Amino acid sequence: DADVTQTPRNRITKTGKRIMLECSQTKGHDRMYWYRQDPGLGLRLIYYSFDVKDINKGEISDGYSVSRQAQAKFSLSLESAIPNQTALYFCATSDRGESSYNEQFFGPGTRLTVL
Amino acid sequence: GESVGLHLPTLSVQEGDNSIINCAYSNSASDYFIWYKQESGKGPQFIIDIRSNMDKRQGQRVTVLLNKTVKHLSLQIAATQPGDSAVYFCAENKGSSASKIIFGSGTRLSIRP
Repeated sequence: DADVTQTPRNRITKTGKRIMLECSQTKGHDRMYWYRQDPGLGLRLIYYSFDVKDINKGEISDGYSVSRQAQAKFSLSLESAIPNQTALYFCATSDRGESSYNEQFFGPGTRLTVL
Repeated sequence: GESVGLHLPTLSVQEGDNSIINCAYSNSASDYFIWYKQESGKGPQFIIDIRSNMDKRQGQRVTVLLNKTVKHLSLQIAATQPGDSAVYFCAENKGSSASKIIFGSGTRLSIRP
């Protein structure tokens, strides 16, 4: 979805390096998410943010941190990358929801390889 | 525990035939069940969802069926086309809580000409 962009699209790094993945959206959504996808598995939630001042851990937050710099920007950091963090990372956004499900719109993904 | 899984990891269908992708779930408390399509090199794309109080919902060429008795969800694609080739994920969501979105491992649908 062109409304959700991720940079870089591909990154190869070494163990111990600090890496930042960035996500920007033009959809005007309040909610943003970071997911990780491993081969043969579904997406797993790392962190999510319901607005600029709200950050929440997801299912697999260990080894990751995030920053919500603005409504449109949500970055994911690996402070000290390790090989088992090699995966495909997706950013997603959704509109503010109340009691109903709100569709998530995904970016194109960042393929990260940690050697 | 909570889990959303798939009966088959791959499905091969003749072009023009109907496709049926199945999914089992174990969390009876989910409010919504969702199907996503992921094409090669792209992020997942929402296809259709169904609330837990419904049995069936139809979209354009797609139908989702929910059988709460056996905790089974299916996605039916009518007149399958080459553009339907992708990995299909089922997922479940409990209301507006992002932490409760659980994705299955996916079924790869391939189309035979």
